[in-house]
Formats: sequence, C-alpha cells, structure tokens
Amino acid sequence: RKEVEQDPGPFNVPEGATVAFNCTYSNSASQSFFWYRQDCRKEPKLLMSVYSSGNEDGRFTAQLNRASQYISLLIRDSKLSDSATYLCVVNIGYGGTSYGKLTFGQGTILTVHP
Amino acid sequence: DADVTQTPRNRITKTGKRIMLECSQTKGHDRMYWYRQDPGLGLRLIYYSFDVKDINKGEISDGYSVSRQAQAKFSLSLESAIPNQTALYFCATSGSGIGYEQFFGPGTRLTVL
Repeated sequence: RKEVEQDPGPFNVPEGATVAFNCTYSNSASQSFFWYRQDCRKEPKLLMSVYSSGNEDGRFTAQLNRASQYISLLIRDSKLSDSATYLCVVNIGYGGTSYGKLTFGQGTILTVHP
Repeated sequence: DADVTQTPRNRITKTGKRIMLECSQTKGHDRMYWYRQDPGLGLRLIYYSFDVKDINKGEISDGYSVSRQAQAKFSLSLESAIPNQTALYFCATSGSGIGYEQFFGPGTRLTVL
C-alpha cells in the first residue's frame, strides 16, 4: 500500500463548482499534513497546512480525520486559475531520519472550464 | 531573485555520461532535498541533508550521489546516466521542525538518450 494515496482524477468541473479531493495515509505516526499545488511543468508550492480542527483559507477548506487517516481539500466557487495538480503531503515527523521528510501523493489533476 | 535556484534548467545527455545538477538557496535554511518527478509516480525523495555534515539516502538513491558544499548549496550527481533517469528533478529547502514548509526550485528537466 502506498504511504499516501490520492484519486488521480482528472476532475473536470465548470467555473463556480464545488470540488472535493480526498487523500489517505498509511502511517498512523504521521504528524503534519499539507496540500501543495503544482501548475503544469512548475514547482510545487504550499497551498495550505491541514490542522486537526480543520482550517479554511478563503475558498479552500482542509480537513483531517486522524482516526480514519484521511485528509480532504474542498474548493468552493472554482475559478479557471484553480486548474492545477493538487498534491497531498504528509510528514511522519518522529525521531530519527524520518524527521522532516515529506511524502507526496501522486497528485489529483483539476481542470476548471468556462 | 528566486530563493531557490537550480542549474541547468534543461539538459540532454547520453547514456553513460556523468552529469551534475546544482541547487542554491538564499533562504538561510539548513535542510535541503532532492526529488525526482515522473508522470503517475509523483515526487520521490532521492537524498536529503539536514545540515552541512549530514547526508541521508531517500527512497530512490541508487545511481545518484550528492554533495553539500555549503549551507546554501546542494548538488546531485548522476555518475553514469541511464535512460530511466529521464525525469524532472526538483531541489527543495526547509527550516527545522516538523511542520516547516518546503520551498522548491524551478526544476531541471533531464533527458538521457
């Protein structure tokens, strides 16, 4: 089983739609969780961190369910500029050489069309 | 100027050649990383360094070596390039701690013929 799994999509949605991405992780010792965004042929960039209580940043809402080892990202009122690949990222973060390493999911492709 | 730079941005080489990819950062971070990205496989960690004297293998280090010349510089070498090392390579940096964001360079597109 992969350490971080995402539905690769692609998701094709119209402008204004609400879309949700899911991600599961296998290591229950995982400490930190993130969503990164990657535009075509560009470097990944942090979109938002994911906190246990859930957190929101404008149109974006991230949720974490530790019991189910599940992370989600909700995008409301989709814009054309939201078209990108969304990477679910997990940091195990316990002692030894795993500390500070990120494990990336393969990414979910989103295309928002007019 | 970009905080994390990579050179070259594109490289075409032949099987058996030795090549070096270079990464520099001006963020003052101790931690640096090398990843490769392949379609359908996502980003995979090759090597990482938590300070100048610390080098660790990632999940796919075979066929690669690294050098941490200074806090700001981390280079990746392919001693004898092979076609399945054709990929997009990213360098990244981060501060210390669990939740610190990783900042990526623009990537190097490497093709091995």
